[in-house]
Amino acid sequence: GENVEQHPSTLSVQEGDSAVIKCTYSDSASNYFPWYKQELGKGPQLIIDIRSNVGEKKDQRIAVTLNKTAKHFSLHITETQPEDSAVYFCAASMIGSARQLTFGSGTQLTVLP
Amino acid sequence: EAQVTQNPRYLITVTGKKLTVTCSQNMNHEYMSWYRQDPGLGLRQIYYSMNVEVTDKGDVPEGYKVSRKEKRNFPLILESPSPNQTSLYFCASSFLTDTQYFGPGTRLTVL
Repeated sequence: GENVEQHPSTLSVQEGDSAVIKCTYSDSASNYFPWYKQELGKGPQLIIDIRSNVGEKKDQRIAVTLNKTAKHFSLHITETQPEDSAVYFCAASMIGSARQLTFGSGTQLTVLP
Repeated sequence: EAQVTQNPRYLITVTGKKLTVTCSQNMNHEYMSWYRQDPGLGLRQIYYSMNVEVTDKGDVPEGYKVSRKEKRNFPLILESPSPNQTSLYFCASSFLTDTQYFGPGTRLTVL
């Protein structure tokens, strides 16, 4: 089955700096890669996703890049703010199939004021 | 408001006492799923359902049961809970070709 590894497990940055979280996956059939943000006491919420027919996607201060050959994808947050502090999860799946999301182990991001 | 709801949000119980955690969604999603979240392990899928009366095991199904008698509801049943089922549980739903939306979570403690 699919295996997703996520690094780092914790990340501290100064407000205004950039943050990068990286994930690798094992199953070359995976074609959908969402990122979720989980704030304390809440369920994960989708912040951005990418499908395998594109290499990069941006939404304001966040972006995701995908390298299908190397089987890795990354989340980039620019101009970080204290409200970006949360746990971030990457995931991989084959969209539309019975196979569901396989999650990475999570990254605790702390933005220091 | 489109949402996934779970009840209860917090539950403390004792070993062996059957319990049910309910999950309901109002988005007409075909796909529903249960996950457990443990420190350092991320989210691991317990069971999922592609539609009414269609359920299948995820990665960690032992000790759990589910049913899908109606499209909107997907309860998680622990017939004889044990302390290793102490965890944070999330229900999620989606259309088959879309991303999953998660409920607020149920924190379960089994003594």
